[in-house]
Amino acid sequence: SQLAEENSWALSVHEGESVTVNCSYKTSITALQWYRQKSGKGPAQLILIRSNEREKRNGRLRATLDTSSQSSSLSITATRCEDTAVYFCATDGDNYAQGLTFGLGTRVSVFP
Amino acid sequence: ETAVFQTPNYHVTQVGNEVSFNCKQTLGHDTMYWYKQDSKKLLKIMFSYNNKQLIVNETVPRRFSPQSSDKAHLNLRIKSVEPEDSAVYLCASSDRGRTEVFFGKGTRLTVV
Repeated sequence: SQLAEENSWALSVHEGESVTVNCSYKTSITALQWYRQKSGKGPAQLILIRSNEREKRNGRLRATLDTSSQSSSLSITATRCEDTAVYFCATDGDNYAQGLTFGLGTRVSVFP
Repeated sequence: ETAVFQTPNYHVTQVGNEVSFNCKQTLGHDTMYWYKQDSKKLLKIMFSYNNKQLIVNETVPRRFSPQSSDKAHLNLRIKSVEPEDSAVYLCASSDRGRTEVFFGKGTRLTVV
């Protein structure tokens, strides 16, 4: 089975600064996804990065994937207070019906 | 509006009672899931279901059971709740490729 883990429990930054969340996983994947969960809501996808990609961008978000070290990172530049959320990485399993395996989550707090 | 809809938002019940949570998706997906999220935000998949296959996480107690009337609905029934069942239950859906998993807002269960 696969296990995705974020490497930090919580990160705090001030508005305008950058923040990076790291993730490691244990087995081979076809893709890795990053999700964000705001208070009172379900997780929502930010970026999907496939195993043959090294980097993916979505606005202020940048995800990297290193399959040799089985790690990924999500960077947010020019952070805003509304970026405050829990960030998860998620990996897929061999059976499509198994859904995604989510990491432990990293709480990012952006202060004014 | 296309999304994943869950009811109720909150539910408080006593130990030993039976509860049922509803979930409907209007995204046309063929696979639905139930995840449990604990107080530390850890997301654990409980069930994956499409019209051909039900996958049950082996750690899920037998008092939990999914109920589906069609591919757009997947309800969750808990036969006799226990205190450790207090959590947020998130319903989700995806297409076969799992390129994105869409979540509902969750049902927060409190067992007293």
